[in-house]
Amino acid sequence: QLQLQESGPGLVKPSETLSLTCTVSGASIRRTTYYWAWIRQPPGKGLEWIGSTFYSGSTYYNPSLESRVTISVDTSRNQFSLTLSSATAADTAVYYCARDEMSTTAFWGQGTLVTVSP
Amino acid sequence: EIVLTQSPATLSLSPGERATLSCRASQSVSNYLAWYQQKPGQAPRLLIYDASNRATGIPARFSGSGSGTDFTLTISSLEPEDFADYYCQERNNWPQFSFGGGTKVAI
Repeated sequence: QLQLQESGPGLVKPSETLSLTCTVSGASIRRTTYYWAWIRQPPGKGLEWIGSTFYSGSTYYNPSLESRVTISVDTSRNQFSLTLSSATAADTAVYYCARDEMSTTAFWGQGTLVTVSP
Repeated sequence: EIVLTQSPATLSLSPGERATLSCRASQSVSNYLAWYQQKPGQAPRLLIYDASNRATGIPARFSGSGSGTDFTLTISSLEPEDFADYYCQERNNWPQFSFGGGTKVAI
């Protein structure tokens, strides 16, 4: 069955770049009906969509983060990745990767906590 | 940018009671609205899509209604496992989307 697993450093220093990878298993990332999304949730707060990518590399970003975000896809490894530059304490959050289709974000990874701190 | 406002922020109820959660959009999203449930330490779980369709495996006590700018999630009779956070999500400009601020259903 479909599984998504986030990986990457749990601690990032302020002003540095936050980088995470999502490994997809149980399905091909090349499916044409899906986008692959990053969503985050600061501790005790709500959900925020960061951006989404298609297998071809086409991307959409949250306008509030667009200047600092890059999402890329590696179809050979069935992975997609997130980089967020110039990290601050406000970027401390649980980061989720997810599979997104037209009506739903039905499948989510378990999430990974990234803390931005010296 | 579409802003979703959920109310109330916290809903204090008892098992067996009816829960009514509201989600209001700053502009019409047609019926492109979903609801998610989130429990502590877990990823969100899809409950309702396209405003009123229950996702696979979701009990019939959960129902969604509305269109345009005003939406409601109703839990007809709260079970102990239903006490959680609930988020609405608009998908009017998919693949871009946004979430509401959430409603906590508490005992």
